[in-house]
Amino acid sequence: AQSVAQPEDQVNVAEGNPLTVKCTYSVSGNPYLFWYVQYPNRGLQFLLKYITGDNLVKGSYGFEAEFNKSQTSFHLKKPSALVSDSALYFCAVRDRGNYGQNFVFGPGTRLSVLP
Amino acid sequence: DGGITQSPKYLFRKEGQNVTLSCEQNLNHDAMYWYRQDPGQGLRLIYYSQIVNDFQKGDIAEGYSVSREKKESFPLTVTSAQKNPTAFYLCASSHQGSGASSYEQYFGPGTRLTVT
Repeated sequence: AQSVAQPEDQVNVAEGNPLTVKCTYSVSGNPYLFWYVQYPNRGLQFLLKYITGDNLVKGSYGFEAEFNKSQTSFHLKKPSALVSDSALYFCAVRDRGNYGQNFVFGPGTRLSVLP
Repeated sequence: DGGITQSPKYLFRKEGQNVTLSCEQNLNHDAMYWYRQDPGQGLRLIYYSQIVNDFQKGDIAEGYSVSREKKESFPLTVTSAQKNPTAFYLCASSHQGSGASSYEQYFGPGTRLTVT
């Protein structure tokens, strides 16, 4: 069965500092991996995905994520945080070998960027 | 939120009433999904549909029903059998084919349902 863990409920970072939001996953085959962001009372917005190829993927709003197969991780990063990055972040996984399998989301990490 | 609309944004109902949440997409996606989100929680899958006239139960389908008569539409009915219906409901869609652009889900803006 697929699963996603986001070990931190909350991440606090000062504006201008680098940020990392952690994600680890478990799938039976090779994964498709995604990051989404949610602002209050809004739907989820897609940030980036790993499908294949370069382990470092770049996405919207200056975010990037690094796929690490040996550690089964897909941590979200940004070199310089903005106050406007404060939101709820979700990691999701889909097993590429299982066509009928659905997305599995992590529990979310609340990012607070302090001015 | 582009391409997927959910209405209404806020919905209030009395306990014991059925209520239907609307979800429409113009992205030509084959698959559509309904999730429930409770305060401080992640997303839980209620139902999903990979093709018109077909749908499957997700992890928490009890007390909910859906239909998929058109590719563009996937309404969710919250029945009186759902014990704790107050929540934020999110609809999503995605391609089901192959290719790097195919797999992410696109989400609607959500409907906040309050049952008293």
